[in-house]
Amino acid sequence: GAGVSQSPSNKVTEKGKDVELRCDPISGHTALYWYRQSLGQGLEFLIYFQGNSAPDKSGLPSDRFSAERTGGSVSTLTIQRTQQEDSAVYLCASSFRAGTNTGELFFGEGSRLTVL
Amino acid sequence: SQQGEEDPQALSIQEGENATMNCSYKTSINNLQWYRQNSGRGLVHLILIRSNEREKHSGRLRVTLDTSKKSSSLLITASRAADTASYFCAQINTNAGKSTFGDGTTLTVKP
Repeated sequence: GAGVSQSPSNKVTEKGKDVELRCDPISGHTALYWYRQSLGQGLEFLIYFQGNSAPDKSGLPSDRFSAERTGGSVSTLTIQRTQQEDSAVYLCASSFRAGTNTGELFFGEGSRLTVL
Repeated sequence: SQQGEEDPQALSIQEGENATMNCSYKTSINNLQWYRQNSGRGLVHLILIRSNEREKHSGRLRVTLDTSKKSSSLLITASRAADTASYFCAQINTNAGKSTFGDGTTLTVKP
């Protein structure tokens, strides 16, 4: 597609359930990033991929969070046993490359997660 | 924030006035970027300034960078109601691949 696509756009789940959030980056972008944004707050870095590998997972809040990327394209962020504090907007971005020459990041519209 | 801070947190001005937002960061950078976020939407890239640049212009936007003070500013001239949004700076560090964002400045431009 023309831009970064995220799904679902909205997800309401019950505490303790697992959720999967999907990100389809811009074709040809090798770098992919996941951020979390709580209401009215800034962006909290979660993880980034260069190709299929994740050089930096330092932002994942707990071992309930995991992410993978296959074929250098689509990425899935999985949250197991969701808690109410996981409620936030999860933003995905992609760029031509990561590293010290990173240029513009292109963002999706986000997946709004509400844990009841 | 994880890396730096923007100030002010919120700014309210009248249409036609200039808006200035500041960003401070903590580690060495390769470049610094400014993004805009309309309510409920993703972020949109506005402008990138490299560590060896001191000032950059794009339309009504002017960005400055002072690496000795580890700070940057974004000036929006002749503001319009449509400029109402949150503005974030993002730092691209010399030793990391990730882009780290500040907490943002919420700008309200009153018609």
